[in-house]
Amino acid sequence: AQSVTQPDIHITVSEGASLELRCNYSYGATPYLFWYVQSPGQGLQLLLKYFSGDTLVQGIKGFEAEFKRSQSSFNLRKPSVHWSDAAEYFCAVGGGTNAGKSTFGDGTTLTVKP
Amino acid sequence: DTGVSQDPRHKITKRGQNVTFRCDPISEHNRLYWYRQTLGQGPEFLTYFQNEAQLEKSRLLSDRFSAERPKGSFSTLEIQRTEQGDSAMYLCASSFGQGHHEQYFGPGTRLTVT
Repeated sequence: AQSVTQPDIHITVSEGASLELRCNYSYGATPYLFWYVQSPGQGLQLLLKYFSGDTLVQGIKGFEAEFKRSQSSFNLRKPSVHWSDAAEYFCAVGGGTNAGKSTFGDGTTLTVKP
Repeated sequence: DTGVSQDPRHKITKRGQNVTFRCDPISEHNRLYWYRQTLGQGPEFLTYFQNEAQLEKSRLLSDRFSAERPKGSFSTLEIQRTEQGDSAMYLCASSFGQGHHEQYFGPGTRLTVT
């Protein structure tokens, strides 16, 4: 069975500081990995995805993530956080025989201090 | 490309009533997914369609839930005899192609059962 763990329920960072959100996954084959962002009352917006190839992927809004197979991790990073980045972030895994569905973590809420 | 749309955005109903939600995917997308999201949790997979065929249903989808995509375009999700535990955000997503690809999410329908 596939699963995703986001160990940090809530993170607070100061504006301009760097950010790292953790994601650990469990999957039996090569995973397809995603990070989504959700603002209050909004649907999920895809930030970036990893399917294969270069393990460091770039996304929108200055975000990047690194796939580490040995650690079963796909952590999201941003070098300098903006107040508008305050939102909830979800990591998801999918692919292979479960090609239809994605399995999501429970999310990390990001608060940005001025 | 107008994105994935869902209707209604909010629904308040009394316990025991039936409700139906609609999802219009991105026009060229052949796959359509339904997820449910409760407060403090990530989206949970309910079911998905490839064209008009319903290919997978989660165990979360009890007999009171039914989904259709009759012409391979829009989809409806019906909940019969609603219960308070059905209160959640119902998210629709769509994607294009075979295998696993990124899913584009709609804004969701928030259901409150009183």
